Amino acid sequence: DTEVTQTPKHLVMGMTNKKSLKCEQHMGHRAMYWYKQKAKKPPELMFVYSYEKLSINESVPSRFSPECPNSSLLNLHLHALQPEDSALYLCASSQEKGAGNTIYFGEGSWLTVV
Amino acid sequence: DAKTTQPPSMDCAEGRAANLPCNHSTISGNEYVYWYRQIHSQGPQYIIHGLKNNETNEMASLIITEDRKSSTLILPHATLRDTAVYYCIVRVRGTSYGKLTFGQGTILTVHP
Repeated sequence: DTEVTQTPKHLVMGMTNKKSLKCEQHMGHRAMYWYKQKAKKPPELMFVYSYEKLSINESVPSRFSPECPNSSLLNLHLHALQPEDSALYLCASSQEKGAGNTIYFGEGSWLTVV
Repeated sequence: DAKTTQPPSMDCAEGRAANLPCNHSTISGNEYVYWYRQIHSQGPQYIIHGLKNNETNEMASLIITEDRKSSTLILPHATLRDTAVYYCIVRVRGTSYGKLTFGQGTILTVHP
């Protein structure tokens, strides 16, 4: 069973709001990822966590703050976002980092910043 | 990571085989070829991957040329539900984080 669960599926937030996106997997995977996908564009990597530690930050603005409270959960805290941050945010996981490990994606959270 | 080139779009008749090509002429010996697809408004779905040998699973077959400079994803009996964007991705083996970098992909439209 390869399932990554993301909540909420849809979120509308104002530019002064603070909100969080949540991701959960129970496959025992030790690597977790956040991707961002703008309309009609391919997904782009934001962050990689490995064994609950931030491994890669792809120069993401500080208004996006990831958190990995345990091996099954990954959060993305959002604060002071801009309308151009509206996108589909995808969470993913894999057994380990490294190219031989297949990455599995959730269905995503649609974010609209107004 | 090696760059991939895919046709922007392809059509296929329902029930026929869909053959999606991918060029990765700069691939090196330690790079995997991965295929994902993304159906509208859903997360990317893993299809198959390979290093050197051809691979087959319940979804598709992956044919990698002997020189590894290109590959073809084969959906043996396409259905309307296979209409999606298909991404061919090369990932460097043994990297510290196994980054998955998406290109523009191929929009496959399966028609009745």
